[in-house]
Amino acid sequence: EAQVTQNPRYLITVTGKKLTVTCSQNMNHEYMSWYRQDPGLGLRQIYYSMNVEVTDKGDVPEGYKVSRKEKRNFPLILESPSPNQTSLYFCASSLGANSPLHFGNGTRLTVT
Amino acid sequence: AQRVTQPEKLLSVFKGAPVELKCNYSYSGSPELFWYVQYSRQRLQLLLRHISRESIKGFTADLNKGETSFHLKKPFAQEEDSAMYYCALFTHYGGSQGNLIFGKGTKLSVKP
Repeated sequence: EAQVTQNPRYLITVTGKKLTVTCSQNMNHEYMSWYRQDPGLGLRQIYYSMNVEVTDKGDVPEGYKVSRKEKRNFPLILESPSPNQTSLYFCASSLGANSPLHFGNGTRLTVT
Repeated sequence: AQRVTQPEKLLSVFKGAPVELKCNYSYSGSPELFWYVQYSRQRLQLLLRHISRESIKGFTADLNKGETSFHLKKPFAQEEDSAMYYCALFTHYGGSQGNLIFGKGTKLSVKP
């Protein structure tokens, strides 16, 4: 089944403890992107990648890192999480940025 | 600068009433626009794209380049249309490369 898989679905952590949210797609998509969704602020792009080893900042990249070493995986790394990064995170992929995006189920992160 | 504006955070209508979700964009190139929908507790999914010129679940959207708008319309709202709606614009970098930027979203509430 074609899908975008994010893990974990829920994560509670403490300030400063490094964490990684994984994202994997099995559709051989070139474009992948990370978003955070917050009430009243909608969907904001964190980072995106147009292909392997090609990543770029979105609207709110501060405090986040990504890597795209292989086509299927696009992990989101929080080196030192802070409470303002408490949010619902979505990963998405598509053949190209102008093709329909396939979204993951989301990861709800709480930083205390 | 490229921008997508959805002026209404919340739109509340009664069942059977017409619905129009507004989307305006700012882009110097030839726009490619999309509407995505997120039903409660579900992942985002593509609703429609302007190049398809199709009607999905009774919704239509027409690109108006003069007014730089891509409003989403439905003549008779149903309760199951209650969801979060995002307008998105593909910004073209060159070749097939580019990025998809989202508006802040409009929450549609259809009351019985």
